[in-house]
Amino acid sequence: GAVVSQHPSRVICKSGTSVKIECRSLDFQATTMFWYRQFPKQSLMLMATSNEGSKATYEQGVEKDKFLINHASLTLSTLTVTSAHPEDSSFYICSARGPGHSLSYEQYFGPGTRLTVT
Amino acid sequence: AQTVTQSQPEMSVQEAETVTLSCTYDTSESNYYLFWYKQPPSRQMILVIRQEAYKQQNATENRFSVNFQKAAKSFSLKISDSQLGDTAMYFCASLAGNTGNQFYFGTGTSLTVIP
Repeated sequence: GAVVSQHPSRVICKSGTSVKIECRSLDFQATTMFWYRQFPKQSLMLMATSNEGSKATYEQGVEKDKFLINHASLTLSTLTVTSAHPEDSSFYICSARGPGHSLSYEQYFGPGTRLTVT
Repeated sequence: AQTVTQSQPEMSVQEAETVTLSCTYDTSESNYYLFWYKQPPSRQMILVIRQEAYKQQNATENRFSVNFQKAAKSFSLKISDSQLGDTAMYFCASLAGNTGNQFYFGTGTSLTVIP
């Protein structure tokens, strides 16, 4: 099956610093990756969609300068939270889809990254 | 646009019993998919079941089945013979079939299976 990993699983950073979260497709080429944010006991909200080699498309209300997304290869997308603040603390989940996944619903989720900003 | 509503924030069920989780949705798409995802304490999103809107037959996966009422825009999940491992958050979601990239998730139902 299609496997998506995220690294790190947990990260704690100080306010004002930047932190990078990686999302990797392990056994398929991910032409499209999605980044979600999940607040405690709430649903997943799509932040942005990234296609390999292109700029990410951000959802309304998501600051593109704060949440930098890079999808430079077919197996890796990164989300960098710049100048993090405590309100950025959340659970970040990526999902991925590849060229072999012709149906729109074939997206595979990573295990998520818990970010805590102190 | 699509919206998904789950009106039951928390539910509990005795082990081995049956429980039904409710979901309603709204979409202007003619072709769409509906899903139930499970998120256990590990936080990994796990696909439980999928329903293609063009199919009249309700999807089933072992102990999990759905009651898809297209006219009413209702998509409930029935879990039979509940097991302790079923304890998790359950999210209902929709996705447009033709142009869809984005999942629209409901707010979730926290299910606890009581031994």
